[in-house]
Amino acid sequence: NAGVTQTPKFQVLKTGQSMTLQCAQDMNHEYMSWYRQDPGMGLRLIHYSVGAGITDQGEVPNGYNVSRSTTEDFPLRLLSAAPSQTSVYFCASSRQGGNQPQHFGDGTRLSIL
Amino acid sequence: GENVEQHPSTLSVQEGDSAVIKCTYSDSASNYFPWYKQELGKRPQLIIDIRSNVGEKKDQRIAVTLNKTAKHFSLHITETQPEDSAVYFCAAPSGGSYIPTFGRGTSLIVHP
Repeated sequence: NAGVTQTPKFQVLKTGQSMTLQCAQDMNHEYMSWYRQDPGMGLRLIHYSVGAGITDQGEVPNGYNVSRSTTEDFPLRLLSAAPSQTSVYFCASSRQGGNQPQHFGDGTRLSIL
Repeated sequence: GENVEQHPSTLSVQEGDSAVIKCTYSDSASNYFPWYKQELGKRPQLIIDIRSNVGEKKDQRIAVTLNKTAKHFSLHITETQPEDSAVYFCAAPSGGSYIPTFGRGTSLIVHP
């Protein structure tokens, strides 16, 4: 039981490049979410999903895209990377949304030059 | 949506002292209040949580207290040890919300 798996762990991009951060969970959780963590800002919600085929925006969605074609996978796409998107990105899943513990992946440290 | 405020942002204590971190929330319908610990370079991990039908919960040296009337909950760590040094986050869901809102975190430093 691997829990929540994120890839890659580190990535350096140039401004304007696009990329996809991968997230997979093997706990059969319906709820999945993406956060970014910046110093002093805590965990800010980017996008979330309450089940396959259903996604919604969080607090800071601009510049990011998501899809949820299966229960297990919830990839995050950066459409055109900007230096402001330099951050640590965490994927999380839970059995029943905000009323249950969140299980986090190990994070992806992303630098945009 | 839910507004969660966490204080203090930094807390420095001597080994063996107690530490208290407080969070306030805005949505009176919120009913689940977790605390997460994040060690440097690691993922946040749940350390304790409480539901709205109880006022206090303990697990060895950590405890969480909840005051629903005042809409705040606190993390208490007794007999702090250097390995307690980490960033601690509280969270609360809006009533009916699918995903929790997190506080901005408290950096706890325990000096040996």
